[in-house]
Amino acid sequence: GNSVTQMEGPVTLSEEAFLTINCTYTATGYPSLFWYVQYPGEGLQLLLKATKADDKGSNKGFEATYRKETTSFHLEKGSVQVSDSAVYFCALTDFNKFYFGSGTKLNVKP
Amino acid sequence: NAGVTQTPKFRILKIGQSMTLQCTQDMNHNYMYWYRQDPGMGLKLIYYSVGAGITDKGEVPNGYNVSRSTTEDFPLRLELAAPSQTSVYFCASSYPSGQGYSPLHFGNGTRLTVT
Repeated sequence: GNSVTQMEGPVTLSEEAFLTINCTYTATGYPSLFWYVQYPGEGLQLLLKATKADDKGSNKGFEATYRKETTSFHLEKGSVQVSDSAVYFCALTDFNKFYFGSGTKLNVKP
Repeated sequence: NAGVTQTPKFRILKIGQSMTLQCTQDMNHNYMYWYRQDPGMGLKLIYYSVGAGITDKGEVPNGYNVSRSTTEDFPLRLELAAPSQTSVYFCASSYPSGQGYSPLHFGNGTRLTVT
């Protein structure tokens, strides 16, 4: 079956630190992969996406590369800001059914 | 565009009461979904619909019902509320894609407490 596993949080970083949030997946087909971000009191928003192996998704300084050989889609940012504090979800879709990880809370301190 | 709109934002129910969570989208998306989000547990799919008149169960459908009479609306019904249904409920929509890629658009959620 399909599933997504991501690192548990919370992750606490100082401003301008490097961020990595690990995500691995299991899929029966050829899924598309996503990172969503959820700010307090809001719904999830698409952060970035990748549709095939070796694709790199990027947005707002965040990046993630679709690695089929390691079934991973790790989220990275070179220099986090306080405004990046949120919960981050890794997800995959296979024929329009979506599967989400449990979310990783990021706290960025000034 | 309003996108995906959910009402109400908050609701407190007593055990055994019933209610309907409303969801409407104005993007003409065929696919609509209901998720629940429990603390630290990520999102679990309750029901989904691939078009008007078609609904199907997700991972956790027990205790819920849905209908899809129009493309725009996808209400979620709780018939006999139980404390285990205390959660945040998100409605989402998407459109068919030949690539299998079609990002979800989420509403802002309904926070439900059953006491």
